[in-house]
Amino acid sequence: GDSVTQMEGPVTLSEEAFLTINCTYTATGYPSLFWYVQYPGEGLQLLLKATKADDKGSNKGFEATYRKETTSFHLEKGSVQVSDSAVYFCALSKASSTLGRLYFGRGTQLTVWP
Amino acid sequence: EAGVVQSPRYKIIEKKQPVAFWCNPISGHNTLYWYLQNLGQGPELLIRYENEEAVDDSQLPKDRFSAERLKGVDSTLKIQPAELGDSAVYLCASSLGLDEQFFGPGTRLTVL
Repeated sequence: GDSVTQMEGPVTLSEEAFLTINCTYTATGYPSLFWYVQYPGEGLQLLLKATKADDKGSNKGFEATYRKETTSFHLEKGSVQVSDSAVYFCALSKASSTLGRLYFGRGTQLTVWP
Repeated sequence: EAGVVQSPRYKIIEKKQPVAFWCNPISGHNTLYWYLQNLGQGPELLIRYENEEAVDDSQLPKDRFSAERLKGVDSTLKIQPAELGDSAVYLCASSLGLDEQFFGPGTRLTVL
């Protein structure tokens, strides 16, 4: 079935370090891919998305490229800040009978120290 | 603009008791979702509404869970009776059609 696999956390970095959170997916057809972020005490927020192969989603300095050949959508940021500390979820949705259903990974806790 | 509102934020009950969660979506959003998030896991869809109609409830355990969305606005998710394994965070989200989903802060349920 459709699924998303994220790298295990937690991830701990110093401020200004480079961030990569790996995400791979399994799905038939051509899913849309998403990264959501959950700050402490808040609901999930859409961080970025890509709807077709080779698309790059970007927002707030974060980027992810839809790689169909490797079924991946890795999240990257060149220089993290303390305010980026949160849980990050990779997700996919498909244009099918389950249109609208998001399939989430387990989440990766990121902590950034000053 | 107000976001998705959920209440209560926290609920502690004993097993076999009933419990209900309430969600008020963003104004104008016709699609509403309930997700279950177990500790250390990503959210999983329980049910999706388009207006008043439940169009995807295949993951809802219908023996003890029920949901309603009267008048196509607010929604209530109920568990009766609750079991220990129901301890989790219950998330509500809404969207305009199948556009971006906006999530509420969730209700954390603890079943003792």
